[in-house]
Amino acid sequence: QIQLQQSGPGLVKPSQTLSLTCAISGDSVSSNSAAWNWIRQSPSRGLEWLGRTYYRSQWYNDYAVSVKSRITINPDTSNNQFSLQLNSVTPEDTAVYYCARGYGDVWGQGTTVTVSS
Amino acid sequence: SYELTQPPSVSVSPGQTARITCSGDALPKKYAYWHQQKSGQAPVMVIYEDSKRPSGIPERFSGSSSGTMATLSISGAQVEDEADYYCYSTDSSGIPLFGGGTKLTVL
Repeated sequence: QIQLQQSGPGLVKPSQTLSLTCAISGDSVSSNSAAWNWIRQSPSRGLEWLGRTYYRSQWYNDYAVSVKSRITINPDTSNNQFSLQLNSVTPEDTAVYYCARGYGDVWGQGTTVTVSS
Repeated sequence: SYELTQPPSVSVSPGQTARITCSGDALPKKYAYWHQQKSGQAPVMVIYEDSKRPSGIPERFSGSSSGTMATLSISGAQVEDEADYYCYSTDSSGIPLFGGGTKLTVL
């Protein structure tokens, strides 16, 4: 069955870059029918969709307006995974970060990321 | 900006039917998805494409959509169904977003 395994640091300093990876097993990041999403959750903002990458004969990305100037989501076909980079983080970016397939039929385990010096 | 609106809380007694609503202007043309989240856990999809139930989800969970409102119903709610429930859909451009979530209390 499909599984998503997240990895990355739980502590990031203000102004630095948050980087997380989501490894896929049981499906392909290059699937023509799936989209691969990053979502975060904080008490103040609830569940917030951040962005996605997907392949439909070419690669596409969509990003939430709230983070569009700071976010990059990249597929890694060699390792069947995808990544999140969020630049210039502030304490407001402290949250649990999840990766998910499509509209959430499969979720990663979640990574608590704290932005603090 | 586009929003999906849910009631903050719903409370029912065990065995009653719980109904959680989600309103949004794009819902007549966009599917709604529902996720259950228990404390400290990742969300779990309980309804997709308005009314379909994923494998392994109990039959007491059902979904419907009419006009600008989607509804998640839990028939014969059980104490174990206490959780936060989130609707998930897209705006008219296809960009996903979540509702604010509804805390279901069964007692």
